[in-house]
Amino acid sequence: GENVEQHPSTLSVQEGDSAVIKCTYSDSASNYFPWYKQELGKGPQLIIDIRSNVGEKKDQRIAVTLNKTAKHFSLHITETQPEDSAVYFCAASGGSYIPTFGRGTSLIVHP
Amino acid sequence: SQTIHQWPATLVQPVGSPLSLECTVEGTSNPNLYWYRQAAGRGLQLLFYSVGIGQISSEVPQNLSASRPQDRQFILSSKKLLLSDSGFYLCAWSLYSGANVLTFGAGSRLTVL
Repeated sequence: GENVEQHPSTLSVQEGDSAVIKCTYSDSASNYFPWYKQELGKGPQLIIDIRSNVGEKKDQRIAVTLNKTAKHFSLHITETQPEDSAVYFCAASGGSYIPTFGRGTSLIVHP
Repeated sequence: SQTIHQWPATLVQPVGSPLSLECTVEGTSNPNLYWYRQAAGRGLQLLFYSVGIGQISSEVPQNLSASRPQDRQFILSSKKLLLSDSGFYLCAWSLYSGANVLTFGAGSRLTVL
């Protein structure tokens, strides 16, 4: 089955800095890579996703890049704000319709 | 538009008591339904998923069970709770068509004392 590794487990940045979270996956059949943001006490919410026919996707301050050859994808947040503080999950799916999640990254943005 | 409802939001139960968490989805048909557990504040552990009424697949053997009595209803149950069942339980759905976007409910916080 698919295995997704996510790093770092905790990321602390100053407001205005950029944040990068990286994930690797093992199943070359995976072709869909979503990112979820989970605020304290709430369910995860999809914030951006990318499919294997695209190398990069951007939505305002967040972007995701995908390198299929190396089997890794990353989330980039620019100009971080305190409200970006949350746990972020990457996931990979395609070979099976059930996504495999990374273990999560706790992002802390200090004002 | 589609919405997912999950309840109760919070519950405190004694060890050995039964459990029933309910999840319903509105605005779609034939969804795939999922139950996840989040312990220790982070990782998402898939417990059960269902592709149709009465069709349940279990990912982790334990004292929990799931049922899907109606197309858009998913229930997580236990006959006797253990301390280790404490956690944050999340229901989710995705389109039966194979699209892989998961939409999560707001979660149910279970504390077993």
